[in-house]
Amino acid sequence: DTGVSQNPRHKITKRGQNVTFRCDPISEHNRLYWYRQTLGQGPEFLTYFQNEAQLEKSRLLSDRFSAERPKGSFSTLEIQRTEQGDSAMYLCASSTRPGGQETQYFGPGTRLLVL
Amino acid sequence: GQSLEQPSEVTAVEGAIVQINCTYQTSGFYGLSWYQQHDGGAPTFLSYNALDGLEETGRFSSFLSRSDSYGYLLLQELQMKDSASYFCAVRGSGGKNQLIWGAGTKLIIKP
Repeated sequence: DTGVSQNPRHKITKRGQNVTFRCDPISEHNRLYWYRQTLGQGPEFLTYFQNEAQLEKSRLLSDRFSAERPKGSFSTLEIQRTEQGDSAMYLCASSTRPGGQETQYFGPGTRLLVL
Repeated sequence: GQSLEQPSEVTAVEGAIVQINCTYQTSGFYGLSWYQQHDGGAPTFLSYNALDGLEETGRFSSFLSRSDSYGYLLLQELQMKDSASYFCAVRGSGGKNQLIWGAGTKLIIKP
C-alpha cells in the first residue's frame, strides 16, 4: 500500500508526559501537513512542510508542539508536557501539486488520549 | 477573521438528491474544496472549485459563486455508503498553504 501511514494509531498517556507521532507520506509527495481534529469539528491546521522546510505554522500552535521532517520524507510531531486538552485525532496529509487545486491525501490518524 | 458555515446535519432518503451548503468568509480566496469523512476514517478529497459554476464528478457535483461567497455539494442517487460527514474548506489568508475547514455536515441517509 502506498498511501499515507501514521504511527501509532492510538496513544494513551498521562498528563505531563511527552508523546511523538510519526507520519510517512506518499513517497513522491513533497508537501506534508499536520492537522488536529476533535469530535464534531473539522481538521485544524497545525503546520506545513515543503520537503524538509517547515514553511507555515499555525499561530494557535503552542510552543509545546514541534514538528520535524529531517530528510524531506517522514515527519514527526512531538507534544511536550501533554495536557488533557491535547486529546484529539492528529492527522497527517501529503500532496504534490501546489496551489489551489491540490488534493491532500490523509493518513488514518493517531488518536491521542491524555489522562 | 476567516470562517465557514455549513449545516451540522442533513437527513435524506436513499436514492434521493441532497445539497449541502457552505458559506465562507475569508480575506483571500484560492478555491473551495470538499472532503468526505466516514466515522473513524480519514478525510478523502471529493471536489474543488476555483471559478464560478458547477463541477461534476460522477454522482457528486460542486458549485461555487464567488460573488456570494457560497458553494454547495450536490449528491445524487444517494446510497447508504454516502452516510458520512462532509467538509468544505478554503485556503487561509494567514498562509496560502493553510486549509481552513468548516465544522462539517453529518449526512444521515435513511432507507
